[in-house]
Amino acid sequence: EAQVTQNPRYLITVTGKKLTVTCSQNMNHEYMSWYRQDPGLGLRQIYYSMNVEVTDKGDVPEGYKVSRKEKRNFPLILESPSPNQTSLYFCASSFGQGDYEQYFGPGTRLTVT
Amino acid sequence: GESVGLHLPTLSVQEGDNSIINCAYSNSASDYFIWYKQESGKGPQFIIDIRSNMDKRQGQRVTVLLNKTVKHLSLQIAATQPGDSAVYFCAERNQAGTALIFGKGTTLSVSS
Repeated sequence: EAQVTQNPRYLITVTGKKLTVTCSQNMNHEYMSWYRQDPGLGLRQIYYSMNVEVTDKGDVPEGYKVSRKEKRNFPLILESPSPNQTSLYFCASSFGQGDYEQYFGPGTRLTVT
Repeated sequence: GESVGLHLPTLSVQEGDNSIINCAYSNSASDYFIWYKQESGKGPQFIIDIRSNMDKRQGQRVTVLLNKTVKHLSLQIAATQPGDSAVYFCAERNQAGTALIFGKGTTLSVSS
């Protein structure tokens, strides 16, 4: 089944404790992206990657890192999480950037206390 | 700047009615738009897209209309069903083509 998977689905952590949210897709997509979803603000892009070893900042990259060592994986790293990073995070992938349909993962609910 | 907004945060309809969800965008140069459906606890799911060289596009029970003159996008759902209850987002491709700019969403509630 074609899908985007994320782990963990739920995470409660404390300020400053490094964490990684994994994202994997099995569709051989070149383009991958991370979004955060907050009430009243909708979905905002954090980082994106157009291919292996090619990443760039989205609209809200502060406090986040990403890597793209393999085509299928695009982990989101929070080196020192803060409470304002409490949010619902989505990974998405598509064949290419622009007008290709983006497939979204199920989401990761992160709470930073 | 680029921004995409929706006219109403909530819409309630009866089962079998036709639903119309509206969206206004600000960037007249935008050339690609998508509608997504997000059910509770799930990620957004693609419904239908439209390019700026089209005024209308139809899918299964859904139609997207694009009015570039007034920068308005709408999603029409025919014979709305309880399973259509969800949050609906419109999105436009940003100028660089690297991201989708999402509106804030309309919650559609369908009662039977």
